[in-house]
Amino acid sequence: GAVVSQHPSRVICKSGTSVKIECRSLDFQATTMFWYRQFPKQSLMLMATSNEGSKATYEQGVEKDKFLINHASLTLSTLTVTSAHPEDSSFYICSASSRGQEKLFFGSGTQLSVL
Amino acid sequence: QQQVKQSPQSLIVQKGGISIINCAYENTAFDYFPWYQQFPGKGPALLIAIRPDVSEKKEGRFTISFNKSAKQFSLHIMDSQPGDSATYFCAAKAAGNKLTFGGGTRVLVKP
Repeated sequence: GAVVSQHPSRVICKSGTSVKIECRSLDFQATTMFWYRQFPKQSLMLMATSNEGSKATYEQGVEKDKFLINHASLTLSTLTVTSAHPEDSSFYICSASSRGQEKLFFGSGTQLSVL
Repeated sequence: QQQVKQSPQSLIVQKGGISIINCAYENTAFDYFPWYQQFPGKGPALLIAIRPDVSEKKEGRFTISFNKSAKQFSLHIMDSQPGDSATYFCAAKAAGNKLTFGGGTRVLVKP
């Protein structure tokens, strides 16, 4: 299957700092990327959808100014958590698909801990 | 509104047994139904998927059964192994739209 690489796998930061998470499609062109958030023992919650070269579409209740998403190329999308606070601590997962393909491939996730 | 309802929330099965997870959906526009397996601290991995024009799909020990009229689908894991212990998510997608996930089922296979 297609490979989606996500980095870092784990990050610990101080409250008030910003954290950037990268998501790369290694062997296909990711025309659409999705960012999810997952709390312990819960399902994945979609945060936003990004299409290459376009502004991201955020789900209701997700602060676009806090969770900055950039999808500047067909192989890279980034999620920046700005001015992180302890309540932002969570497992963040990206996924990617290519045009016309219904299969969705996930990254390995990033565990963010804000102290 | 939870559009995909998954049950049970957790499941314990003996090695060699059959694990059965059920999902029900509401949106008749859904036309793609994947199942994902997730291990702790990892992203979900696609296991198997089905479209509504097929009533059953089998890949190795994993089988999806699909009942379009009842708007239900299920995952059967045959000959369950300790390595199958993970959280399983069903999902559904309408053409051109995002995936909607079920709540997840934690499966524990006892040796």
